[in-house]
Amino acid sequence: EAAVTQSPRNKVTVTGGNVTLSCRQTNSHNYMYWYRQDTGHGLRLIHYSYGAGNLQIGDVPDGYKATRTTQEDFFLLLELASPSQTSLYFCASSDVWGQDTQYFGPGTRLLVL
Amino acid sequence: AQSVTQPDARVTVSEGASLQLRCKYSYSATPYLFWYVQYPRQGLQMLLKYYSGDPVVQGVNGFEAEFSKSDSSFHLRKASVHWSDSAVYFCAVSPLSGSFNKLTFGAGTRLAVCP
Repeated sequence: EAAVTQSPRNKVTVTGGNVTLSCRQTNSHNYMYWYRQDTGHGLRLIHYSYGAGNLQIGDVPDGYKATRTTQEDFFLLLELASPSQTSLYFCASSDVWGQDTQYFGPGTRLLVL
Repeated sequence: AQSVTQPDARVTVSEGASLQLRCKYSYSATPYLFWYVQYPRQGLQMLLKYYSGDPVVQGVNGFEAEFSKSDSSFHLRKASVHWSDSAVYFCAVSPLSGSFNKLTFGAGTRLAVCP
């Protein structure tokens, strides 16, 4: 089974702070995704990537940057965090594309004060 | 644009009772359809998926879902729920064509199973 890990699991920062969320998958999947989960909205796609060095914009990209440094590692960057970015963030990976099963990490809970 | 509606934010059932969680999608053609489950303090896990063929698909842990093209629905069912089924369930869709077919999730239904 695919393994996706995220760090940190919990993060507290202040408005204007700089935050990096990390994700690693160990199954050599091509696609990786960053989602945010908010009550009443389900999961919304922030950014995704189909390989090292590639980055694609999702549905809610404002205020977020991302970088895929290797096949395994995908980072989400909040350079000027705002309270509206308080959320639960999930990373996921899949082998082919969106129709394939996506495997999710355990999530990172971010609080921006 | 595709969309997914889960009309029930919360469902409470007794252990051993049957379950149906509703999902309606909006899309111009038949999409790929998924149900994912999120147990407390965990990431999402796929329960089942539908691409084509038999409209009733079987998933893990006794779950099944039925696709209806006429109704644009993909409802999840289970004959007898267990307390361990308490979780949040998400319906998701992905279009059939295109170089990248992203998942669009519904808002989720929180299931509480009472003893």
